Amino acid sequence: TQLLEQSPQFLSIQEGENLTVYCNSSSVFSSLQWYRQEPGEGPVLLVTVVTGGEVKKLKRLTFQFGDARKDSSLHITAAQPGDTGLYLCAGRRTNAGKSTFGDGTTLTVKP
Amino acid sequence: DAGVIQSPRHEVTEMGQEVTLRCKPISGHNSLFWYRQTMMRGLELLIYFNNNVPIDDSGMPEDRFSAKMPNASFSTLKIQPSEPRDSAVYFCASSRDLGGSEQYFGPGTRLTVT
Repeated sequence: TQLLEQSPQFLSIQEGENLTVYCNSSSVFSSLQWYRQEPGEGPVLLVTVVTGGEVKKLKRLTFQFGDARKDSSLHITAAQPGDTGLYLCAGRRTNAGKSTFGDGTTLTVKP
Repeated sequence: DAGVIQSPRHEVTEMGQEVTLRCKPISGHNSLFWYRQTMMRGLELLIYFNNNVPIDDSGMPEDRFSAKMPNASFSTLKIQPSEPRDSAVYFCASSRDLGGSEQYFGPGTRLTVT
């Protein structure tokens, strides 16, 4: 049973479009992270959210943590080809616990 | 500043051979994590250390896998004997401590066992 479910698994869009990807669980997390991974490289941390309902913005990326701290979303406005990559969410159930990763959403932005 | 360093970047070996993957964490980071990534299973945590001590190795798939951290600046993941199903990308990551959630990943080692 996958602790963190990410959807959609694959997403292919045109440059300039908006998109939202989701990370859902039945478990409560003390914190949740979003990473982006490009081919041939390791995941790179984008953001950490810790408070239920929290919204963080990183340029064109908006991250939201669900009120119950069980789910999160990533919204990208006006996607660009440079946004192409694998987006992974990872949750920690305790402050000193290990992170569990979702399977990721593979995003392709076509010019 | 140097990030997490892994070597080798690519390893091709024959079934039955011993494989050793190496990792140098970011200086000052006290926690180190070994992950395996495959298309089928995604990113899986194998083992993690805090202050050079293994904390949780429940993700290590079999006794063929072992990991050590002899000092704060070096860790190894060894597979002996290797099998084709071990083929994957192996990542090392480090963080300041277990309480801090930001992990910094290395570039990975792509292992192919034929």
